[in-house]
Amino acid sequence: NAGVTQTPKFRVLKTGQSMTLLCAQDMNHEYMYWYRQDPGMGLRLIHYSVGEGTTAKGEVPDGYNVSRLKKQNFLLGLESAAPSQTSVYFCASSYSIWGSSYNEQFFGPGTRLTVL
Amino acid sequence: EDQVTQSPEALRLQEGESSSLNCSYTVSGLRGLFWYRQDPGKGPEFLFTLYSAGEEKEKERLKATLTKKESFLHITAPKPEDSATYLCAVLNGNKLVFGAGTILRVKS
Repeated sequence: NAGVTQTPKFRVLKTGQSMTLLCAQDMNHEYMYWYRQDPGMGLRLIHYSVGEGTTAKGEVPDGYNVSRLKKQNFLLGLESAAPSQTSVYFCASSYSIWGSSYNEQFFGPGTRLTVL
Repeated sequence: EDQVTQSPEALRLQEGESSSLNCSYTVSGLRGLFWYRQDPGKGPEFLFTLYSAGEEKEKERLKATLTKKESFLHITAPKPEDSATYLCAVLNGNKLVFGAGTILRVKS
């Protein structure tokens, strides 16, 4: 099992460019998440999905869009990149969000994005 | 507003020198507290989940405990390979709220 994979690993964008980050998981998890991690601020939830075809906003959703067309994939889009979106982006997945023994989240290796 | 505060921000230990990391939280409805380990350039790796005050869990040299307002991650006789950033998160409803982490360095 590959677990949670993310592509690309690194990317440099110019202000105003767009891009899509891809997350894939092979654990048959229902729930998937996108976080950003900035120095001194911890991980912050951007968007999440509780199943195929569903998405919901997290703590810092502005400037990002997501789609979950297939259960195993969760895409994060930046329509018009800004320098404030320079960060490390992590995708995660879990069986369930709460109320069971299987709600720990498994994380991907991250994508380091720089917006100039 | 839900808050998770970890202390200290950074901790340097000698190999074998035991210590504790703190995670204090304010959340309206705690459904679980999670500890993760993160190595440089990698994603967080799950360590423990604690659900109720008084609960304890152990894994090798690590032991996590939970009270109504905080959690401790005790590290007994640490080794250099325990060096990492340790993240605490609380589950509130359907979202995880993370602390900023404690950077642990263990020197041989």
